[in-house]
Amino acid sequence: NAGVTQTPKFQVLKTGQSMTLQCAQDMNHEYMSWYRQDPGMGLRLIHYSVGAGITDQGEVPNGYNVSRSTTEDFPLRLLSAAPSQTSVYFCASSYLASGGYEQYFGPGTRLTVT
Amino acid sequence: GESVGLHLPTLSVQEGDNSIINCAYSNSASDYFIWYKQESGKGPQFIIDIRSNMDKRQGQRVTVLLNKTVKHLSLQIAATQPGDSAVYFCAENRGGSQGNLIFGKGTKLSVKP
Repeated sequence: NAGVTQTPKFQVLKTGQSMTLQCAQDMNHEYMSWYRQDPGMGLRLIHYSVGAGITDQGEVPNGYNVSRSTTEDFPLRLLSAAPSQTSVYFCASSYLASGGYEQYFGPGTRLTVT
Repeated sequence: GESVGLHLPTLSVQEGDNSIINCAYSNSASDYFIWYKQESGKGPQFIIDIRSNMDKRQGQRVTVLLNKTVKHLSLQIAATQPGDSAVYFCAENRGGSQGNLIFGKGTKLSVKP
């Protein structure tokens, strides 16, 4: 299994541009999430999905959209990039294991908005 | 304010010593806690978890302790090795969706050979 994959690994955008960060998992996990990580800080939840066709907002959803048309894919869309969205973005998926919610994270996408 | 936080932002230990990383949480409704390890340039990696109906859970060289009275969580690493050098995050699930984790800011663990 490839686990959780994210593309691209690096991206530079200009203010106002839009783009989609891709995330895919091959573990048949129902739950997927997007986080952002800023320097010296922990991860903050942007959006999450409990299954295909179902999404919900996390702590910092403004400026981002998500959709979940399949179990495998959970893309994150930046509608109009702003410098405040410069960050490292992590996608995660999870399943129920030993009564817990172990999450598997992708390698991250490093986004710079100029 | 920050619901899940850490008492020590950095921790330096000698190889072979035990490490203790602490975490405080404020939401008494949280029912599940996880410790993650993040190496430079990589995504977080699951280490160990604990449910709120437990006080202690042990893994390989790691132990998590939960004190619900004072809302405190700790990660103990036995015989710390250079490969343990990383940033460690605690995270809490406040119930409901299992994807909805709240992370602390992290503690950087440095292991001196």
